[in-house]
Amino acid sequence: EAGVAQSPRYKIIEKRQSVAFWCNPISGHATLYWYQQILGQGPKLLIQFQNNGVVDDSQLPKDRFSAERLKGVDSTLKIQPAKLEDSAVYLCASSPGTGGRGDLHFGNGTRLTVT
Amino acid sequence: QQPVQSPQAVILREGEDAVINCSSSKALYSVHWYRQKHGEAPVFLMILLKGGEQKGHDKISASFNEKKQQSSLYLTASQLSYSGTYFCGTVHTGTASKLTFGTGTRLQVTL
Repeated sequence: EAGVAQSPRYKIIEKRQSVAFWCNPISGHATLYWYQQILGQGPKLLIQFQNNGVVDDSQLPKDRFSAERLKGVDSTLKIQPAKLEDSAVYLCASSPGTGGRGDLHFGNGTRLTVT
Repeated sequence: QQPVQSPQAVILREGEDAVINCSSSKALYSVHWYRQKHGEAPVFLMILLKGGEQKGHDKISASFNEKKQQSSLYLTASQLSYSGTYFCGTVHTGTASKLTFGTGTRLQVTL
């Protein structure tokens, strides 16, 4: 089966600019996650979708971050405006399971550098 | 609430065993284990559901003590390919499958 696809692979922007990341999950996976991973740390959940509804976005900085999942498939994560501390790898993952029973399949991530 | 892992780092010689621990301050529904190699995405190893089960494949196994809110990952007869950072992920009871990753344990296997 095809894996989770993410683009772009790398992005360099200046602070206060905007950026968008795209994710295409594994076909049939109902749950989609966006994680932020700062160098040397574990992934931090930003937002979790179940089909096209938001399950958890408690750690999403909503003043600058937004995410949507159209038709319960592809998803985009946007940052506007970016800050230096947003430099990280943004990982998208999908899962066939619900309720904490399913394994997560991660994409290769987008490495964001904010200068 | 982020689970705490110990040790933070460990260096092994090939063939040696290791144990990585993961503990939570809140009631757990499930525990996940992932391995991440440098510059790559995390890869799923196994999931344990509440009920105190133990799982394993090949020479990697894990246990889940629901009462102590702890899980341990056991690596037996380590191989060079086991090197990487290991993360536990926890889903707490009543949190609608929100998976929170731990602090990570960096494992290096040498010849």
